[in-house]
This record gives sequence, C-alpha cells and structure tokens, in this order.
Amino acid sequence: LAKTTQPISMDSYEGQEVNITCSHNNIATNDYITWYQQFPSQGPRFIIQGYKTKVTNEVASLFIPADRKSSTLSLPRVSLSDTAVYYCLVGTSYYGGSQGNLIFGKGTKLSVKP
Amino acid sequence: DAGVTQSPTHLIKTRGQHVTLRCSPISGHKSVSWYQQVLGQGPQFIFQYYEKEERGRGNFPDRFSARQFPNYSSELNVNALLLGDSALYLCASSLSGGENTGELFFGEGSRLTVL
Repeated sequence: LAKTTQPISMDSYEGQEVNITCSHNNIATNDYITWYQQFPSQGPRFIIQGYKTKVTNEVASLFIPADRKSSTLSLPRVSLSDTAVYYCLVGTSYYGGSQGNLIFGKGTKLSVKP
Repeated sequence: DAGVTQSPTHLIKTRGQHVTLRCSPISGHKSVSWYQQVLGQGPQFIFQYYEKEERGRGNFPDRFSARQFPNYSSELNVNALLLGDSALYLCASSLSGGENTGELFFGEGSRLTVL
C-alpha cells in the first residue's frame, strides 16, 4: 500500500473552508484515496473516497489532480464540531484497504476555533 | 439500527494477565477487523475475519489471537499483557471481506489500561 504524508496539525476558525492535502507519490494504478475522520475516544468514520478528479458529498469534497500523487480534502465552512483527526489512506480495495486492512498514518489534527 | 458494539468499554489489567475483548458487528456484516490505537497514533491493523476464517494478520506477536463466531461476532484475546498493550482497541465491520471490502464501520472501542 502506498505511503501517505499529511500535515501533523492545522488550525482554522469557524466558518472558514479547510483544505488538507495528502501526498502519495507511490500511488498505484488500482489505488483509491479515502479519508476518515476520528474524534477523541471514538472509532474512525468514513468521510469520502475518490479515484480521480473531484468527488463531492454532503460533508466534503475531494480533489485529485491528474497525476494522482496528491489529494486535497476540502471541508466547507467548518464548525467547532469538525475538530478531529483526519486520516488519508490509499489502497487497492474500493474503500482504502485490502480485506479490511486499512493502513493509517498519524493523520492531521484539525483544531477549529471560535 | 445498532452500529458496531464493543465490550467492555474500559478495563484495567495488570502485567501478565489475560484480556478478552468482544465485538458485535452491524447486522448483516460478515467481516470483522481489529485495530490497536496507541495514544497519538493512527489505528494499527491486528486481524481480519470473514465467515469465521482469518483473512489477514498484522504485525503483532502471537500473544494476540482472535476468532469469529457463527453469528459473526468476534473476540480478541491478548495473553501475558505488557504495559505497551495499553491502547484503544477498535473493532470494525464490513459487508464483505474480499478485495472490495466496502466501507469499514468502527465501534467506539475498548480502552485497555495495563498497570
């Protein structure tokens, strides 16, 4: 599975758009890019997944350039409740891992301030 | 609908003891995976079971074992506990266990403290 690199932490204010970029230089042709969110003392929760270009759902957008060596998770108009750790995962199965084996890095700790 | 449920939520053990953690997947899900999350780190894969068979194993010592029951619930067992086993143990379930695993749904975890 491709290794991912993302910032350790980010700060933002309520109402701002937050963009978290993840580098995955060794992404394979069959790899998908998946983002999970985790609150303290809770299990991770799936946010969004994509293969190329742009994907949007009710909570986030995922931008993937043509070379797929990086991706950007965009959270529109964040609120205090978006304070969490965000993990970028790259893997061959549709949802970011093979046979339930997800490879998590350290993630990006997002702090949203009032 | 009930999500993934884990028990106990918190427990304290001493070094050398044994612990059993339990997980009930979402109804209809046949795959269960276990993860260990040490404070400040991302979750680390321990095991995956699908249809009662082990499908994957992470880089953990033989002190860690697991099994899946006919009703798809699962147990994680850890023997000869070490201080370093203190962590949040997460269970995740999914519909299938093959290459296209599908979204993983995580439980709230079992917080183990080893003294």
